[in-house]
Amino acid sequence: ETGVTQSPTHLIKTRGQQVTLRCSSQSGHNTVSWYQQALGQGPQFIFQYYREEENGRGNFPPRFSGLQFPNYSSELNVNALELDDSALYLCASSPTSGDSSYEQYFGPGTRLTVT
Amino acid sequence: GNSVTQMEGPVTLSEEAFLTINCTYTATGYPSLFWYVQYPGEGLQLLLKATKADDKGSNKGFEATYRKETTSFHLEKGSVQVSDSAVYFCALSSPGNQFYFGTGTSLTVIP
Repeated sequence: ETGVTQSPTHLIKTRGQQVTLRCSSQSGHNTVSWYQQALGQGPQFIFQYYREEENGRGNFPPRFSGLQFPNYSSELNVNALELDDSALYLCASSPTSGDSSYEQYFGPGTRLTVT
Repeated sequence: GNSVTQMEGPVTLSEEAFLTINCTYTATGYPSLFWYVQYPGEGLQLLLKATKADDKGSNKGFEATYRKETTSFHLEKGSVQVSDSAVYFCALSSPGNQFYFGTGTSLTVIP
């Protein structure tokens, strides 16, 4: 069983640029969530996708957007990068949405640095 | 709204000492509660979970009990090892399976 994978591992961008991060969910999982983890902090929920539709969003501006594909892989796009966007971005998958008892399985993350 | 408050760190213990990391939560409805662990340079791994009041989650010698009356889910281990050194996150899951994490507690165990 393949776990959650993310690419790239590290990324350096300049303020104002755009970035796309990618995630492949664990086999059999149709729900993907994205989190931002600033240094020394806990992960903050960005949004969740279930069967290719956004299914909940945290307190992040519209320049954070996403997609989920028919194979349940997902992308996180961030436009107009700001210095405060520097963080570890985590993707997590779960077998379904709507059931709080399911744990989420996390990928290793993408470390984004904005200069 | 949903939120998790976790004991501030860092925590430093000697090997074989008793560990408690406090966690309290605020939630609407009936969340599930989780402890995740993050080893240096790695992603988050599930340590244990509890899905209803009075449930006890346990794994690798760690335990936590879902206390609805005190809205708490404290993590305990009777005898820590050097290999337990990591950052521990308490989290709750809303009915939409959206997770809310605490700020994390860094644990260092010295031989």
